[in-house]
Amino acid sequence: NAGVTQTPKFRVLKTGQSMTLLCAQDMNHEYMYWYRQDPGMGLRLIHYSVGEGTTAKGEVPDGYNVSRLKKQNFLLGLESAAPSQTSVYFCASSYRGEQETQYFGPGTRLLVL
Amino acid sequence: SQQGEEDPQALSIQEGENATMNCSYKTSINNLQWYRQNSGRGLVHLILIRSNEREKHSGRLRVTLDTSKKSSSLLITASRAADTASYFCATAFNAGGTSYGKLTFGQGTILTVHP
Repeated sequence: NAGVTQTPKFRVLKTGQSMTLLCAQDMNHEYMYWYRQDPGMGLRLIHYSVGEGTTAKGEVPDGYNVSRLKKQNFLLGLESAAPSQTSVYFCASSYRGEQETQYFGPGTRLLVL
Repeated sequence: SQQGEEDPQALSIQEGENATMNCSYKTSINNLQWYRQNSGRGLVHLILIRSNEREKHSGRLRVTLDTSKKSSSLLITASRAADTASYFCATAFNAGGTSYGKLTFGQGTILTVHP
């Protein structure tokens, strides 16, 4: 039981490049989330999904897109990376009905030059 | 915008001492939780307290909630070096429906426990 895994662990992008972050969970959770964490700040919600094929915007969705084609996977895309997107990205998942108790992945550190 | 504010920003204590961290929030909530983050790792859920609860215990953790003051505290008793981490409070609010787990996190308290 791996829990929540994230790929890649670290990535460097140039401004304007695109990339996709992959999150996978093996706990059969209905809900999945993408957060970003910047120095000295708590986590901020980017997008979330309450089920396969459904996504919704969080607090800071601009510049990001997401997809949930399979229940166990939640992808976060950056179409044209900007230096302001330099951050640590965390994926989380939870059961419906216990959605505030979230299980987090180890994070992806992204540097945009 | 961040709803939670935590105090202190950093706390340094000796092993065996108690550590108290505080969290304040701005709007009505349905529940509040505390998470721990070890350096370079993801967050780990510690405890959830509902808006109709005033105190909750889990092992060496004690959480209180005062909805009239919109504040919560996390007490770690008999701290250990392994408790060194950042601690975040998170709130969830739903307007009659479900929050869908949309959490708002505080900025966190960095706790250092010296052996």
